[in-house]
Amino acid sequence: DTAVSQTPKYLVTQMGNDKSIKCEQNLGHDTMYWYKQDSKKFLKIMFSYNNKELIINETVPNRFSPKSPDKAHLNLHINSLELGDSAVYFCASSQDIGGQGLAYGQYFGPGTRLTVT
Amino acid sequence: AQKITQTQPGMFVQEKEAVTLDCTYDTSDPSYGLFWYKQPSSGEMIFLIYQGSYDQQNATEGRYSLNFQKARKSANLVISASQLGDSAMYFCAMREGVDSSYKLIFGSGTRLLVRP
Repeated sequence: DTAVSQTPKYLVTQMGNDKSIKCEQNLGHDTMYWYKQDSKKFLKIMFSYNNKELIINETVPNRFSPKSPDKAHLNLHINSLELGDSAVYFCASSQDIGGQGLAYGQYFGPGTRLTVT
Repeated sequence: AQKITQTQPGMFVQEKEAVTLDCTYDTSDPSYGLFWYKQPSSGEMIFLIYQGSYDQQNATEGRYSLNFQKARKSANLVISASQLGDSAMYFCAMREGVDSSYKLIFGSGTRLLVRP
């Protein structure tokens, strides 16, 4: 059983196109995230949703728009793709228990390798 | 300033030996959590171990242990009895605070190669 799944695993597209990446978790977690890993393997948070509410929005271009139809899904839509958007995008989820939520790790999906040509 | 620093871009270890991967962190928040993740060549991120700032004892998970030295702000990962399958990138990460800002801040990673 896949805990956090992402589709597609690979995405190759041309500059200027619009694309979406989907993420689903079956762990019953209430918080989901998008991270970007660049070519140097550096991982940085982009967005976080808690119970469908956006709680973290890092300095990401507004061409990136997350959408959470329910707490098990968090999709990422990217408009007008640029060469610099090429990266691996990871979805993650966690269960946070009130003020004691630090105790649990975030569980990552397999990643989506986006290549913009 | 870097919040999470991993000073070893790459390391080698002989199979069956123990290895320590270094991680130092910087925060003024008294409540934080420290995590280690493994990223094999296949690309997935695997959660290994967690240490809370208020935990009195060092965390252990199987062959993984976290050497937590709060005063020195270090959270080194120790892998005992290395196996070939331990060859991977290892990331240290921190989460600050207890509110809803649950983002993880990652270090730059250490690439570990286990030699047979």
